[in-house]
Amino acid sequence: QKEVEQNSGPLSVPEGAIASLNCTYSDRGSQSFFWYRQYSGKSPELIMFIYSNGDKEDGRFTAQLNKASQYVSLLIRDSQPSDSATYLCAVNWEAGTALIFGKGTTLSVSS
Amino acid sequence: GAVVSQHPSWVICKSGTSVKIECRSLDFQATTMFWYRQFPKQSLMLMATSNEGSKATYEQGVEKDKFLINHASLTLSTLTVTSAHPEDSSFYICSARDPGRGNTGELFFGEGSRLTVL
Repeated sequence: QKEVEQNSGPLSVPEGAIASLNCTYSDRGSQSFFWYRQYSGKSPELIMFIYSNGDKEDGRFTAQLNKASQYVSLLIRDSQPSDSATYLCAVNWEAGTALIFGKGTTLSVSS
Repeated sequence: GAVVSQHPSWVICKSGTSVKIECRSLDFQATTMFWYRQFPKQSLMLMATSNEGSKATYEQGVEKDKFLINHASLTLSTLTVTSAHPEDSSFYICSARDPGRGNTGELFFGEGSRLTVL
């Protein structure tokens, strides 16, 4: 059973702080890893994806991947109230197949 | 680019009736589309993989006779919830990959369809 685990939260941070979101996955053969953001009642929107071990930065967002530990994280710098949402970690085990999602972490950024 | 559109966004129906949800890729062709279901406060659960011109592949526990999927063209997949019951009330979301964007694995999602069965 392929699984993606996330702490459901809520994770609360003050405006301007760094939010750290974590995700673990069960299958070492996993190929690619995605972070989606989902606002209440809306469909997910992609923040970023990562394939290789290490860090990948895109604006205020940094994804970190450690395949040996089967761990992927998302850092949000200078958190804004508009970042308040549920963050979904998703894993692609095999090319052409669907993404498997974690349960999501709810982030609340207070002004 | 890579726009996926769903219709309807909201639907309310009576128990025992059938509801059809359409998913269209507007600016690319999708040989495969994925249907997910999301209950309140839960994650996206894969229901089935829709393949153009062939039968859909359903995930374990998803009744293929209840959730009929038709992928008749490269831009349209439909999900029909037959004999709907209140427990089928959920947020249904379709997704697809745009082959023109390379093999990134990224899924593009439709807006979702909120089904409420009375």
